[in-house]
Amino acid sequence: EVQLVQSGAEVKKPGESLKISCKGSEYSFSTYWIGWVRQMPGKGLEWMGIIYPRDSETRYSPSFQGQVSISVDKSVSTAYLQWSSLKASDTAMYYCARHTVRDGMDVWGKGTTVTVSS
Amino acid sequence: DIQMTQSPSTLSASVGDRVTITCRASQDISNWLAWYQQKPGKAPKLLIYKASSLQSGVPSRFSGSGSGTEFTLIISSLQPDDFATYYCHHYSTYPYSFGQGTKLEIK
Repeated sequence: EVQLVQSGAEVKKPGESLKISCKGSEYSFSTYWIGWVRQMPGKGLEWMGIIYPRDSETRYSPSFQGQVSISVDKSVSTAYLQWSSLKASDTAMYYCARHTVRDGMDVWGKGTTVTVSS
Repeated sequence: DIQMTQSPSTLSASVGDRVTITCRASQDISNWLAWYQQKPGKAPKLLIYKASSLQSGVPSRFSGSGSGTEFTLIISSLQPDDFATYYCHHYSTYPYSFGQGTKLEIK
């Protein structure tokens, strides 16, 4: 079964750094884009950015450019979303999803909850 | 950047009803549009891709149509499992984006 397995919930303080992960299995990880989506509590879905594991080409939404970093290690079939200095406003659920050129986001991880609180 | 606007934001309906959700793009996106269903506490689920193609395993009561800037998701006969929030999503040009969502409630 094609799966994306995300890392566990995180509780951090403002100013701390964080890297969450998304590991793909049972498909050719390098040949499908991986996208990241934010959902703040009680709010809608926000497209953050996308990465192509084969060559690490990355695109960001202007809303998230410079705020987060998306990376990948294709040797372990894992994509990452990283913050260098968290803010309380980063508190949200973060989903990764496999993104095909034709189909949109067809396989989703279960999400990683990030809570930032002093 | 392309903005996606869904309507209505909330929709109250009964089991067996036919419902229509609309999504408008601020620019021509051809048919690069997907629809997702999200239930509370769960990840979104792909229903429709390329505006009108039904994702494998999705019931045939779901259908999508449209191209260019106007799109619709239709549920032909609402079932109890369909009460959820629905999002459109364009993947035409970067940055991609979602509509704000339509919450489908039980009347």
